[in-house]
Amino acid sequence: LAKTTQPISMDSYEGQEVNITCSHNNIATNDYITWYQQFPSQGPRFIIQGYKTKVTNEVASLFIPADRKSSTLSLPRVSLSDTAVYYCLVGPRGNAGKSTFGDGTTLTVKP
Amino acid sequence: KAGVTQTPRYLIKTRGQQVTLSCSPISGHRSVSWYQQTPGQGLQFLFEYFSETQRNKGNFPGRFSGRQFSNSRSEMNVSTLELGDSALYLCASSLSAGIDTEAFFGQGTRLTVV
Repeated sequence: LAKTTQPISMDSYEGQEVNITCSHNNIATNDYITWYQQFPSQGPRFIIQGYKTKVTNEVASLFIPADRKSSTLSLPRVSLSDTAVYYCLVGPRGNAGKSTFGDGTTLTVKP
Repeated sequence: KAGVTQTPRYLIKTRGQQVTLSCSPISGHRSVSWYQQTPGQGLQFLFEYFSETQRNKGNFPGRFSGRQFSNSRSEMNVSTLELGDSALYLCASSLSAGIDTEAFFGQGTRLTVV
C-alpha cells in the first residue's frame, strides 16, 4: 500500500489560494491519486482524482509532477466554509482495500 | 437523488454485546465500502462489497463482519463489543468498485461502547 504524508494543519485567510501537498514516494504505476474533504460529524466528500499532470474541476485543481511522487491540491479563493480536513489517497482503481486514508490536513480558513 | 443512508445514527452498547449497522447506498450503486474512524487511528478500511461479494477486507479481527444484499444494501456486524470499538462507522457507495472514482459517504453511525 502506498503511504502518504501530508502536513497536519494549515491556516489561510478568506480569498486566498491554498495548496496542500501530499507525498507518496512509493506510488505504483497503476495507482491514482484521490482527494477527499471531511467536515466534523460527516462522511468524507470526493473532491478530485487524477493520474498525472493537471486535473481541474469546479472546486479544485490537482497538480501531479512527472515522477508522481507527490501531488498538490489547489483550492482557489477559499472561504470560511472550506475549513475542513483534507485527505489524500493513493491506490489502484477499483480496489478500496488498497487505497489508504492518511492522517489528513486540517485546513483552517480565517476571516 | 437520495444520498447514502446509514442507520442508526447513534448507538450505545455495553461491552460484550453485538451490534448491526445498516447502509443503504445510492440507487444504482453496486459497491459499498465500510470504514472505522477514531481520533487515534483515523479512517481505517473495514471491507468492500460489490454485487454481494466481499472483495476486500481490512486488518480487523473476525468479530467484524459484513454482508451485502441483492438490492446493494449492506450491513456490518460487530460481535463481543470492546471499549475500543467505539468509533464513527462510515459507509461509502459507488457505481464501480473502489472509492477512487467519486464514492459517496453516508453521515455515519456513532457507536459508543460502555
